[in-house]
Amino acid sequence: AQSVSQHNHHVILSEAASLELGCNYSYGGTVNLFWYVQYPGQHLQLLLKYFSGDPLVKGIKGFEAEFIKSKFSFNLRKPSVQWSDTAEYFCAVNAWSGNTPLVFGKGTRLSVIA
Amino acid sequence: GAVVSQHPSWVICKSGTSVKIECRSLDFQATTMFWYRQFPKQSLMLMATSNEGSKATYEQGVEKDKFLINHASLTLSTLTVTSAHPEDSSFYICSARDKGGFYGYTFGSGTRLTVV
Repeated sequence: AQSVSQHNHHVILSEAASLELGCNYSYGGTVNLFWYVQYPGQHLQLLLKYFSGDPLVKGIKGFEAEFIKSKFSFNLRKPSVQWSDTAEYFCAVNAWSGNTPLVFGKGTRLSVIA
Repeated sequence: GAVVSQHPSWVICKSGTSVKIECRSLDFQATTMFWYRQFPKQSLMLMATSNEGSKATYEQGVEKDKFLINHASLTLSTLTVTSAHPEDSSFYICSARDKGGFYGYTFGSGTRLTVV
């Protein structure tokens, strides 16, 4: 079974600071990888996903993530955060084939202060 | 884009009563629905997977007689928490997927259940 570990529970940054949120997964086979964001009071929204190909994935709102297979990692980055990026961020994984459910990490709360 | 409408967004009920949560796919056919539960400051934990027209598959430790899932149509799935107790208080989220995965995983906005 898959599992996902997000190292940071709560990250506080000033506006314009760079962001990197860690995500490691555990699974022996090929996986699909996702990052979701949940703004206060809203539903989960997909930021980006990796299925195959270029391990550096660019998503919406200036976010990107890099898949490093040897490290089982899929860290999320943004060069300069904004106050509006304040939200909960979830890393998720599912097995590559089939209609399988997503397995989520515990989430990282990002607070961006002016 | 694909949208899943989840209702109610929050509900308070008395212990021993039942509560029904609905998830509707508005512009696509949700052949598969995943139901998750999220405790404060914890991850989304998969409760069950349902395919349209079939019985739901429950994860280990989830009581199927307590959490009744119906997925009778391609646009509607329901989760009924029967004889709710305070320990059932949680945040419940549905996630729909169409047959080909074209729309990916589309999430509802969640339901905050409080049992008093």
